[in-house]
Formats: sequence, C-alpha cells, structure tokens
Amino acid sequence: QQQVKQSPQSLIVQKGGIPIINCAYENTAFDYFPWYQQFPGKGPALLIAIRPDVSEKKEGRFTISFNKSAKQFSLHIMDSQPGDSATYFCAASKSYNTDKLIFGTGTRLQVFP
Amino acid sequence: GAVVSQHPSRVICKSGTSVKIECRSLDFQATTMFWYRQFPKQSLMLMATSNEGSKATYEQGVEKDKFLINHASLTLSTLTVTSAHPEDSSFYICSAPDREDGYTFGSGTRLTVV
Repeated sequence: QQQVKQSPQSLIVQKGGIPIINCAYENTAFDYFPWYQQFPGKGPALLIAIRPDVSEKKEGRFTISFNKSAKQFSLHIMDSQPGDSATYFCAASKSYNTDKLIFGTGTRLQVFP
Repeated sequence: GAVVSQHPSRVICKSGTSVKIECRSLDFQATTMFWYRQFPKQSLMLMATSNEGSKATYEQGVEKDKFLINHASLTLSTLTVTSAHPEDSSFYICSAPDREDGYTFGSGTRLTVV
C-alpha cells in the first residue's frame, strides 16, 4: 500500500516531442503528489505538484493529469528540449510538507536534438 | 526559495572509518529532516526521519547503530555513517519540509568507501 509504481523506466524522444510518464498508487490516504527532476550527482528538484481535488495542473511546459478514481497520475512535458534530459520521479505523501515522501522508481528521459 | 545546504558533496573514506554528513536549512527552521539513500540508477529510499530534539525514526531494515542521526537544532541535522564498508557507498540526500515547495532537498553527498 505504500508503493508508487512508475513507468516507463526509460524514454527517448526527439526535440519538440511530448514525453508522458505515468504513476499509480494504492494508498488512498495519499494527499500530495509531486514530480521531481534529478540531474546526475544532484538532489531532486520540484517540478510541479498536485492535490487530489484537481484533475489537471499546468506550470509552463509541464502538466500533471490526475485521475483519483483510477489512482493514477501522469506528467506531460510539452515541447521537450535536450535540456530536459534527466531522471524524473513521481512521489506521494499523506500530508503536504509534513509526512514522508514515497518515491516512484524513476524514468530516465533522453531528448535528442 | 528555501535552501538546504548539504556537505560534503563528495567523500572518499577507508573501510572501517566513520563519515559525517551535514544538512543545514539556511533560511527556514527545519523541525524535521528526512534522510534518503540512492544507489546508482535507482530511486530514493527513505532511511530515517529526524525531529529536532528527539530520537530519529528509522525505516525497516536500516541499522540505527550504523547510521547515527542527530538533529540538535532547528537548522542542523547530521548523518554519521559509522564503520563504513564498501556496501555503504551510495548517494545520500537530505530533505526538509518547507512552506513553499513542500519539501526542499539537499544537493546530495556521494560517499565512496574504499
């Protein structure tokens, strides 16, 4: 019940493409769903986050789609750029900024020019 | 935004020695600090949660006598890897809850035990 399943494990797209990364969870007590971007040798950086009371959130080129009934959420990266090449992690927490984060397994994205 | 400063960024130590990793919250008070370990090409796995002024809570399977956590002030938490062995080589990352981004992560410490 504590797991967050993430797919795909890796993703290769061309510049301008729209990579989509999917996550699924079991624990209905989760209340906060962030996405993180991590470059090699660096800590994760918050990209965008969503709460269960909304179905979609956009920030710049990043969009989260959230399906509460299916217990799934996904990240879309519009107009992807080579600089977006990184590892992306979804995560979930029972409470915003108080409870521990449970991370997905990660998706390594490569964007080719 | 909130910043968590983590040091050192890289450390190489001999097997059997101890290594201390520090995480400081620079512009906010971190009453809680989460400590993660990340092996190459893997996800972040929570090791323990520390709260200022109290004992840390360790996740199942994490040896509390090997990974000593101290959270003596609202701006400093430390992780000491005692009697380090090559299998302890990993990327260690701290994270503190903050009001702006939910959770702010340190830049990580690459530990190599030789």
